[in-house]
Amino acid sequence: AQKVTQAQTEISVVEKEDVTLDCVYETRDTTYYLFWYKQPPSGELVFLIRRNSFDEQNEISGRYSWNFQKSTSSFNFTITASQVVDSAVYFCALRMNYGGSQGNLIFGKGTKLSVKP
Amino acid sequence: GAVVSQHPSRVICKSGTSVKIECRSLDFQATTMFWYRQFPKQSLMLMATSNEGSKATYEQGVEKDKFLINHASLTLSTLTVTSAHPEDSSFYICSARRLGSGNTIYFGEGSWLTVV
Repeated sequence: AQKVTQAQTEISVVEKEDVTLDCVYETRDTTYYLFWYKQPPSGELVFLIRRNSFDEQNEISGRYSWNFQKSTSSFNFTITASQVVDSAVYFCALRMNYGGSQGNLIFGKGTKLSVKP
Repeated sequence: GAVVSQHPSRVICKSGTSVKIECRSLDFQATTMFWYRQFPKQSLMLMATSNEGSKATYEQGVEKDKFLINHASLTLSTLTVTSAHPEDSSFYICSARRLGSGNTIYFGEGSWLTVV
């Protein structure tokens, strides 16, 4: 079975602190995709990153960075020098790559990040 | 970039009535669209997968007679909540898989449904 676990329900930090959001996934398949989405209070999902299972290179995009480790089935997300605008719920998601259900994302329960000034 | 539009973004309806939510891919063809539901402070749960021209595939526990999904064209899928009850109040969001793009998925903006 496929599963995504975000163990941190809520995190609160003070502005300019670094924060890491954890994501652990389970799958038996060798080909899959991992995603991070940001959901602000307005509700829409903001795409942050997609990573396929064959690409373990870490990625940095501005203040955001992602650490993908297949050995531990983790895809953690770090925000450096957090800002109040980063406050949102962040979802990690897993997508398989087979059959007619290609595209169905399995979401973790989300981590609510609050960045205080 | 590819855009998926959902309409309405917010809707309030009376208990017992039906409400339709549309999901449109504006600049690409979507063979498959997905409908998710999100209760307050919870994750997004897949309700059903709709393929153009065929019946939707519902996830376990989702009432197909209550949540009618139609995918009549490659750019439009609709979700109709029939005989709505207050417990159907939720955030509904669709996503569309772009044909021929390496299965890139695009999300709509979501629709807030409140049943009073």
